[in-house]
Amino acid sequence: EVQLVESGGGLVQPGGSLRLSCAASGFTFSGYWMSWVRQAPGKGLEWVANIKADGSEKYYVDSVKGRFTISRDNAKNSLFLQMNSLRAEDTAIYYCAREKWNFGYWGQGTLVTVSS
Amino acid sequence: QSALTQPPSASGSPGQSVTISCTGTSSDVGNYNYVSWYQQHPGKAPKLMIYEVTKRPSGVPDRFSGSKSGNTASLTVSGLQAEDEADYYCSSYAGSHSWVFGGGTKLTVL
Repeated sequence: EVQLVESGGGLVQPGGSLRLSCAASGFTFSGYWMSWVRQAPGKGLEWVANIKADGSEKYYVDSVKGRFTISRDNAKNSLFLQMNSLRAEDTAIYYCAREKWNFGYWGQGTLVTVSS
Repeated sequence: QSALTQPPSASGSPGQSVTISCTGTSSDVGNYNYVSWYQQHPGKAPKLMIYEVTKRPSGVPDRFSGSKSGNTASLTVSGLQAEDEADYYCSSYAGSHSWVFGGGTKLTVL
């Protein structure tokens, strides 16, 4: 059974940093692109970033370029999102998702709140 | 990277059919057959319902179907049931390894 479990969310002040993690199991993690998708409170879904199976390519939505970094550790079946210079508008539930021309599996999400 | 356009709400009575539209551009929906639809119940993670415009993952009832014409994709739910009440989001590949979602449609079963 495919499982994705996010962690690392919490309350952070504007300008602060946070590192999200996603632990994957039930599939060959090193064989798939992975994405982070976020959802602001009461709002829709927004794709944030993705990373190629071997970690060699990374892509971001314009609003987080230069502030967020996606990475992975295939040996530990883990996906990460390093978030720096956080803004109030980054407040959202962050989901990791397995990507194969769609988002077939999602974690339960982790809430990031940016507020003073 | 503009969001796809969905109607904010849709509704139907049990047993009826409802169709939700998703309008993009020639750079996303109109250019790729990588349109997918997601169902999200309150407080839950999204669930894939349709992928590659018309395909259903195993376990998704055949009451759910998808189609596309030009820059607009559609999700049709036939034989509405109470458990279909949820938010629905479309998504499309937008090129250069990027993705775009629609704003979401709240489906109400009357």
